Amino acid sequence: EIILTQSPGTLSLSPGERATLSCRASQSVRSNYLAWYQQIPGQAPRLLIFGASSRAAGIPDRFSGSGSGTDFTLTISRLEPEDFAVYYCHQYTNSPPGGTFGQGSKLEIK
Amino acid sequence: QVQLQESGPGLAKPSQTLSVTCNVSGDSINGGGSYWSWIRLLPGKGLEWIGSIYFSGRTYYNPSLASRLSMSVDASKNSFSLKLSSVTAADTAVYYCARAPMGRDGYNLPQYLDFWGPGTLITVSS
Repeated sequence: EIILTQSPGTLSLSPGERATLSCRASQSVRSNYLAWYQQIPGQAPRLLIFGASSRAAGIPDRFSGSGSGTDFTLTISRLEPEDFAVYYCHQYTNSPPGGTFGQGSKLEIK
Repeated sequence: QVQLQESGPGLAKPSQTLSVTCNVSGDSINGGGSYWSWIRLLPGKGLEWIGSIYFSGRTYYNPSLASRLSMSVDASKNSFSLKLSSVTAADTAVYYCARAPMGRDGYNLPQYLDFWGPGTLITVSS
């Protein structure tokens, strides 16, 4: 099973600042099958990025994903008030089918 | 627009079997090309993939839950369901259903989760 470790656990920033969230895998993620989700408390997760760097439909271009192999990054270029949430990475290779999630990174207002 | 909606009992007693159903609109479960998945958000922890089912009945289960898990599809109702037996307090969670496109890389496995239901809280308590 591929284990994903996200850092930092909590990031405190102000609107307008740049956020960088990390996701590290315990082994290489085949075909960069890595997704990012945003979850606002009380709501369902929302797909932001798939294939490590492809934005999902309707996602603003201030969200970008990068990385390959075992190291992946989600960047939010200029934080808006609605971006403060919990972010999860998810690998969807066959280890196991359906994948595993990171433990989440909380982005909070400073 | 694809929409999913979970329905569950809200409360389950320890050792019982938990059943949750997901109704799908805006897409046909029989249409192929997608897996239909269950994920849960464990309190104080994070997200856990439970399992995925294809319209043909092909299933993939989380190995840690496989011995207690059963999933099924009801094409006539465009819905799918999960049953989790012998539940304990550790199964208390928000349960989500979601759609996962099928990979086209020869592995044909479920991929990222592009549409989610709002979730249903299931509490296991006597």
